[in-house]
Amino acid sequence: GESVGLHLPTLSVQEGDNSIINCAYSNSASDYFIWYKQESGKGPQFIIDIRSNMDKRQGQRVTVLLNKTVKHLSLQIAATQPGDSAVYFCAEASGYSTLTFGKGTMLLVSP
Amino acid sequence: GAGVSQSPRYKVAKRGQDVALRCDPISGHVSLFWYQQALGQGPEFLTYFQNEAQLDKSGLPSDRFFAERPEGSVSTLKIQRTQQEDSAVYLCASSSDRLGETQYFGPGTRLLVL
Repeated sequence: GESVGLHLPTLSVQEGDNSIINCAYSNSASDYFIWYKQESGKGPQFIIDIRSNMDKRQGQRVTVLLNKTVKHLSLQIAATQPGDSAVYFCAEASGYSTLTFGKGTMLLVSP
Repeated sequence: GAGVSQSPRYKVAKRGQDVALRCDPISGHVSLFWYQQALGQGPEFLTYFQNEAQLDKSGLPSDRFFAERPEGSVSTLKIQRTQQEDSAVYLCASSSDRLGETQYFGPGTRLLVL
């Protein structure tokens, strides 16, 4: 597959805007999906998850949408804040445990 | 702190040296995972333990990589005869769920092989 290397897809927003980060997953058998946030020099931090029997799940300021028909996952962040600036990864799992991560999207929030 | 901890945080090795990376999972977590993360990429699965049993090591890139978790808590990832392509961040994650779905990650060990 294509390697993104250092050139991550980047989403730039203004503070207070709503952000939408998209992810296409590959395995139609995946039944569990997670969004992680990774700040520079830190490990991925769990944000929100969703199972394949749902199409929407809401958390605090975040919403995950799952469209199994087109194998698409999105993360919506309401009222984006500078502290939300990070790289966001979607991950999928099927069976017992192995997580397969997507390539990541960098979110830049300007004050 | 009650999170996953890893040590060392940074390691510089000369090519050919052996290295050992340590992971202290969240207390009581059954499942433990190791991932390798290259610069600008998402983490890639290396291996998985359930308690002391290594149930999946399909992601280990070569027989120079070895992981253990002898008492079902602390885990060590060992890389023998390091190569430059081993340079990456090595992440450890743990989960209280036997299915390992909600994984909590440590800060990682950044390995640089010169």
